[in-house]
Amino acid sequence: QQQVKQSPQSLIVQKGGIPIINCAYENTAFDYFPWYQQFPGKGPALLIAIRPDVEKKEGRFTISFNKSAKQFSLHIMDSQPGDSATYFCAARGGTSYDKVIFGPGTSLSVIP
Amino acid sequence: SQTIHQWPATLVQPVGSPLSLECTVEGTSNPNLYWYRQAAGRGLQLLFYSVGIGQISSEVPQNLSASRPQDRQFILSSKKLLLSDSGFYLCAWRGFMNTEAFFGQGTRLTVV
Repeated sequence: QQQVKQSPQSLIVQKGGIPIINCAYENTAFDYFPWYQQFPGKGPALLIAIRPDVEKKEGRFTISFNKSAKQFSLHIMDSQPGDSATYFCAARGGTSYDKVIFGPGTSLSVIP
Repeated sequence: SQTIHQWPATLVQPVGSPLSLECTVEGTSNPNLYWYRQAAGRGLQLLFYSVGIGQISSEVPQNLSASRPQDRQFILSSKKLLLSDSGFYLCAWRGFMNTEAFFGQGTRLTVV
């Protein structure tokens, strides 16, 4: 119930491609879904976040949300080598209001 | 503006030695504070969180403990380190009225 599932574990795309990272959850009390980006040796940094809405865009990053299926996805448009990082989806809400529950992460490599 | 400080950045400790990692937050009051651990190539595991001075919630039974002696100070400790305690330790904070969690730069702990 408290888990956030994330796939794929790793992803390789060419520059300009659109990598898609998928996440799913069980706890219907979750009401806030942030995405974090982590570069090697650094702490994760907030990338974009969404409430259970249909879609949200910030620059080249888009979150799509399917509330009935309890799934949400991150799309990176026109991906660049500088986007190579580990991406984590997360969730918070309900009895987990004070905690941020993270997915296992996706390692993205964008090759020139 | 708010900042989070975490130290040391790297640490090599022998098995059986004690541990003390410190995290402090500036520019905010009464933050929620978190300790996460990230094993190599793995996701973020929540270890402890605190909603106030002296209030510690443990998520995973283990060889570690946490304390919050002051409002903006969070300490991760161990009396005797195990090899399995090696990992990347991250401190994070979230404002009481905010939704996002912000991470420090992490401590790379190697137990030898």
